[in-house]
Amino acid sequence: EIVLTQSPTTMAASPGEKVTLNCLASSSVSYMNWYQQKSGASPKLWIYGTSNLASGVPNRFSGSGSGTSYSLTISSMEAEDVATYYCLQLSSYPLTFGSGTKLEIK
Amino acid sequence: EVQLVESGGGLVQPGGSLKLSCVASGFTFRDYWMNWVRQAPGKTMEWIGDIKPDGSNTNYAPSVKNRFTISRDNAKSILYLQMSNMRSDYTATYYCVRGASYYGYNYLDYWGQGVMVTVSS
Repeated sequence: EIVLTQSPTTMAASPGEKVTLNCLASSSVSYMNWYQQKSGASPKLWIYGTSNLASGVPNRFSGSGSGTSYSLTISSMEAEDVATYYCLQLSSYPLTFGSGTKLEIK
Repeated sequence: EVQLVESGGGLVQPGGSLKLSCVASGFTFRDYWMNWVRQAPGKTMEWIGDIKPDGSNTNYAPSVKNRFTISRDNAKSILYLQMSNMRSDYTATYYCVRGASYYGYNYLDYWGQGVMVTVSS
């Protein structure tokens, strides 16, 4: 089973600040997907195939990485970005999620 | 509009059984892999398993293999999750999720609203 470790666990950013969330895989994966989950809501697909934004996702978001190291970047933090972000690998069964990064605003 | 609506949750005793349903609409259900994912309170998500579009193949997480069974009725556009010999750590919100792919990338795109299952005596 591929274990995904996300860092940081929690972070707070100021409006306009650049934010980078990380996801480290225990074995190499072909690509990474990211999900945004706001409090009390279902998760939403945010980024697929490492760097492709899902429909409706603002272009201040971007994704990058390869092998075992992936990241999600917000170029300029906004209040609406407050949420928990999870990475998900579908390269091998069982599918596994990261532990999540809770993003707050200062 | 794609919609996934789960039902069947509730309180069940340890060792008991429960069957969840997910009614799909807004897309051609028989063309898609379907998944179940759960999230314990305050925890990350755990993939439970998936089922092939024609129902001929299923995959499960090790933690639920031989306890859970995923099935589907393509004529009615319904996905099922039969849970047996349940444990207290199965308490979670259970989501029905569509699987999709685009240019070789697989992903889980649409999620239901989730249904709460509580395992307790």
